[in-house]
Amino acid sequence: NAGVMQNPRHLVRRRGQEARLRCSPMKGHSHVYWYRQLPEEGLKFMVYLQKENIIDESGMPKERFSAEFPKEGPSILRIQQVVRGDSAAYFCASSPNQGSTDTQYFGPGTRLTVL
Amino acid sequence: GQQLNQSPQSMFIQEGEDVSMNCTSSSIFNTWLWYKQDPGEGPVLLIALYKAGELTSNGRLTAQFGITRKDSFLNISASIPSDVGIYFCAGLATDSWGKFQFGAGTQVVVTP
Repeated sequence: NAGVMQNPRHLVRRRGQEARLRCSPMKGHSHVYWYRQLPEEGLKFMVYLQKENIIDESGMPKERFSAEFPKEGPSILRIQQVVRGDSAAYFCASSPNQGSTDTQYFGPGTRLTVL
Repeated sequence: GQQLNQSPQSMFIQEGEDVSMNCTSSSIFNTWLWYKQDPGEGPVLLIALYKAGELTSNGRLTAQFGITRKDSFLNISASIPSDVGIYFCAGLATDSWGKFQFGAGTQVVVTP
């Protein structure tokens, strides 16, 4: 059973460009989470999605950031008009179900560098 | 997002020593998870806890779900150099609908 897949592992963008980060959850998992991690810091929640549905996006910046998890294909975290402050590691996690008890499995992350 | 209180922030220990870290919350939790993160990698799940008082081991790692449901601890016995890394706790509150809270992490450094 393959784990959570993320690509690319490293992404370099110039200021003003768009960044697209992809996440394929573990087989059988229908819930996806995106987190951001700055160097020497912990994980900051961004967004929680089910297939075709955003459950909680309270951690997402209001502008330039969007996320989707379509019926087919991977979840996408999209950052438009990137700025240097967007440089960070972005992790995706997936879980099998929603409920009062659950488990999250993380992908290897995408390290975004904005020049 | 809301963060759990994880301590200590860092630990410098000698090989062979035991390590203990804990997380506390103001909310009642139904799930506690412990992860390890190596540099440049994603967090790897070590132990999952689902019941108050539950004590679970994974090799030299032992974690417990606090009886008050507001805390959890992780112990590493007889540390070895490959235990170096950052350990995170994560918890799921009763009314959180799948949204986990995370501790800031405990950096463990093991010296020979």
